Amino acid sequence: AQSVTQLGSHVSVSEGALVLLRCNYSSSVPPYLFWYVQYPNQGLQLLLKYTSAATLVKGINGFEAEFKKSETSFHLTKPSAHMSDAAEYFCAVGGGGGNKLTFGTGTQLKVEL
Amino acid sequence: DAGVIQSPRHEVTEMGQEVTLRCKPISGHNSLFWYRQTMMRGLELLIYFNNNVPIDDSGMPEDRFSAKMPNASFSTLKIQPSEPRDSAVYFCASSYRTGEKLFFGSGTQLSVL
Repeated sequence: AQSVTQLGSHVSVSEGALVLLRCNYSSSVPPYLFWYVQYPNQGLQLLLKYTSAATLVKGINGFEAEFKKSETSFHLTKPSAHMSDAAEYFCAVGGGGGNKLTFGTGTQLKVEL
Repeated sequence: DAGVIQSPRHEVTEMGQEVTLRCKPISGHNSLFWYRQTMMRGLELLIYFNNNVPIDDSGMPEDRFSAKMPNASFSTLKIQPSEPRDSAVYFCASSYRTGEKLFFGSGTQLSVL
């Protein structure tokens, strides 16, 4: 069985500040981990994915995430928030030989001036 | 590639009517997924197919929901009869193979009055 927990359904940061969105996972097999972003009235888009090649994964739009097995975490960060980063972010876990991803409940990121 | 194509973008119907949502996955992708997104429940996997065969339909809420994939380039999700609680955004997604990223369509906003 696999699951993800996203801590904080809403996160608010100032423009230019660090973005940190938290994700913890549970998996009985080596996980594939993903971060997706959803802008209003759109489908989800992949930001980045971890598939065991490197623990620090760089994605699009300046985002990155670090896989920490000891902490079962895959937190998403961006050094400097931009207004265009305001969206909902989903963490997801997959693996075990199947395509089925399990998504977290999402974190709404608000960026303020 | 045009991406995952869903139709219609918006559907408004009355309780008791039949609703059919359509999806065209990305050419060459072997797996297709139907998700439902609501404020209350977040993103839920309804059913997914591998090579046109339904693999897991445990997320389908009840017998009123059915999904088919008659060929590699087309899938439908049908609700009959529809109820107001079915109102949600329904997403179709496809992926090339196990562990690969999901590509999402733009979704169908369903409103059942």
